[in-house]
Amino acid sequence: EIVLTQSPLSLPVSPGEPASISCRSSDSLHNYLDWYLQKPGQSPQLLIYLGSNRASGVPDRFSGSGSGTDFTLKISRVEAEDVGVYFCMQGLQTPFTFGPGTKVDIK
Amino acid sequence: EVQLLESGGGLVQTGGSLRLSCTASGFTLSSSAMTWVRQAPGKGLEWVSSIRESGGSSHYGDSVKGRFTISRDNSKNTVFLQMNSLRAEDTAIYYCAKCSRAETGWCNWLDPWGQGTLVTVSS
Repeated sequence: EIVLTQSPLSLPVSPGEPASISCRSSDSLHNYLDWYLQKPGQSPQLLIYLGSNRASGVPDRFSGSGSGTDFTLKISRVEAEDVGVYFCMQGLQTPFTFGPGTKVDIK
Repeated sequence: EVQLLESGGGLVQTGGSLRLSCTASGFTLSSSAMTWVRQAPGKGLEWVSSIRESGGSSHYGDSVKGRFTISRDNSKNTVFLQMNSLRAEDTAIYYCAKCSRAETGWCNWLDPWGQGTLVTVSS
């Protein structure tokens, strides 16, 4: 089973400031790494797929990068609506696995 | 608009059974693999099961293998999760999600997700 770790697990950010979340994998994923945001009280929504592709409707302040075992999600300027828990997921092979999540809130 | 609507959750006793349904709209179900993911209260996301487009192949997480069965009825635009021998640790919100794939894959990312259905297993 591929294990994903995320850091940090908690990220308080001031509005307008940048934010960065790391996702590391126990095995190479090539680019089969996705990012999801779960806003409070909602189901998860896709942000980034295949490492760096923004999903439809996702603001361009969100960007994904990386390949192999190291991936990063960046928010160029955090807005209040970006609060929630961010999960990475590997879609390379079953069992599909998720990172533990990074909780982003506003300072 | 692509939408997924889960149903069938509820309170069940330890050892009991439940069948979840996921009804799809806005796309042709037969063209997509589908996945169930669960989230225990206050916890992270756990992949449960996936089924390929035709239903000919399915995959399960170790924690549910042998107890849960995923199936689909493309003519009714519905995917099912039959859950037997339920345990307290199966208590979670169960989400249905549509698979999308890269050129060489069959399920590489999940979009969209349904709103979820809560399953509570209690003695």
